[in-house]
Amino acid sequence: DADVTQTPRNRITKTGKRIMLECSQTKGHDRMYWYRQDPGLGLRLIYYSFDVKDINKGEISDGYSVSRQAQAKFSLSLESAIPNQTALYFCATSDLWDPSGDEQFFGPGTRLTVL
Amino acid sequence: RKEVEQDPGPFNVPEGATVAFNCTYSNSASQSFFWYRQDCRKEPKLLMSVYSSGNEDGRFTAQLNRASQYISLLIRDSKLSDSATYLCVVNGGTGGFKTIFGAGTRLFVKA
Repeated sequence: DADVTQTPRNRITKTGKRIMLECSQTKGHDRMYWYRQDPGLGLRLIYYSFDVKDINKGEISDGYSVSRQAQAKFSLSLESAIPNQTALYFCATSDLWDPSGDEQFFGPGTRLTVL
Repeated sequence: RKEVEQDPGPFNVPEGATVAFNCTYSNSASQSFFWYRQDCRKEPKLLMSVYSSGNEDGRFTAQLNRASQYISLLIRDSKLSDSATYLCVVNGGTGGFKTIFGAGTRLFVKA
């Protein structure tokens, strides 16, 4: 079984709809992240959480919100989707005590298309 | 100027070739450095960490030059299976948590 899972894997929606992307992990990591990836731009950080009570905005948080329901679950919401939120979304985790300096483990991604 | 810059490529090389990628970063306070590999439409996966003393893992060698603020990845004896996008990742710096991904360098290894 995968250590980091994301649902759904693919989603097509319309402008103005509310969308939730979910992420679960079995790695026991405290730190979780949401990124989006666009061609030519690399991965950009949307939100991150270092524990259940800690939520922080990343580089591109506008138009997004998150919820850390438990150590293992971190959800990303688009309150009112718009076409430029069409992208590949990745959830990732990392271990606070990682001696190598914060290796991140990624889920398989959610491909979101907003029409 | 982007905080982390990579040559997007693509690099097209024959099997057995040696290929090198460079990545420059702008924040001199950056603390840790990585190379990730990403296959088409898949998630990134850690290839190797990059240490000041340089490190090697089989056919892969990574080096860090703090003075010039760049890291490099050398792949020797390229295999078809090395075809992927290689992402440079830089962690740390002033102003709290900061992880910056480069846009990636695309490598095609041909038979």
